[in-house]
Amino acid sequence: DAGVTQSPTHLIKTRGQQVTLRCSPISGHKSVSWYQQVLGQGPQFIFQYYEKEERGRGNFPDRFSARQFPNYSSELNVNALLLGDSALYLCASSLHREANYGYTFGSGTRLTVV
Amino acid sequence: AQKITQTQPGMFVQEKEAVTLDCTYDTSDPSYGLFWYKQPSSGEMIFLIYQGSYDQQNATEGRYSLNFQKARKSANLVISASQLGDSAMYFCAMRGFSGGYNKLIFGAGTRLAVHP
Repeated sequence: DAGVTQSPTHLIKTRGQQVTLRCSPISGHKSVSWYQQVLGQGPQFIFQYYEKEERGRGNFPDRFSARQFPNYSSELNVNALLLGDSALYLCASSLHREANYGYTFGSGTRLTVV
Repeated sequence: AQKITQTQPGMFVQEKEAVTLDCTYDTSDPSYGLFWYKQPSSGEMIFLIYQGSYDQQNATEGRYSLNFQKARKSANLVISASQLGDSAMYFCAMRGFSGGYNKLIFGAGTRLAVHP
C-alpha cells in the first residue's frame, strides 16, 4: 500500500512568489492535516481538512490556504512568500477526523525561499 | 494551554544499551493521546508508539516502551538495545482537541546519536 505521498520533494522560490504543495493521503483516509516544521523546531499545525471541508486552522496568516478534493488529496497554497516561510511542510493523513491512533505522515516538501 | 516539553536537545547512547528520552506535557483535558515519532534526516515522521490518557498499562511496541506517569504528566520513551539506525530526531506529541478538531502539538525534539 502506498503511504502518504507529497510533491514536490524540494522547491526553491523567490520572495513574493506563490507556491502550491500537494498531498495524497493513504487510500481510504479522509482526513488530511498540514504542518510546518522550521529548522530546529517541532512541526506546527496549519490546517486540518476532513471530507473536503476545513475543520481546523492554526495560527498562520491568511497567505496560507488549502483545499481538499473529492479523492481526498489536498493542496496547500502559500502566497506572497517570505523568507520565514522556508521550512519542511508535512502532510498527515488519518482515517477519521479524531485520529485516535494514527496520523501517517509523508516525507514532506522542503521549501526554500530566497 | 496545551504544551509539550522535551528538555534534552541531544542525547547519545552506546549501541545495544537502553536510552530514555524525556517528555512532559500540560493539558487540562481529561482525554488526550500521546505519541512519539522518529524523524530521520529524510524528513518523514515515523510513528513509534501511542499512549491514551485512559490506558491502564504503559504502551510497548517492540524495542519501544512508553513510561507513562499521569500524575507527573510525563511520557518518557524508552528504547532498549539501541541500534545504529536509531540515530535520528525524536518528537513527543500530544493530540489536542479544541474548536471541534484534533491537532498534534509537538515538542522541540531530541536528537539521538547511537555510537558503535
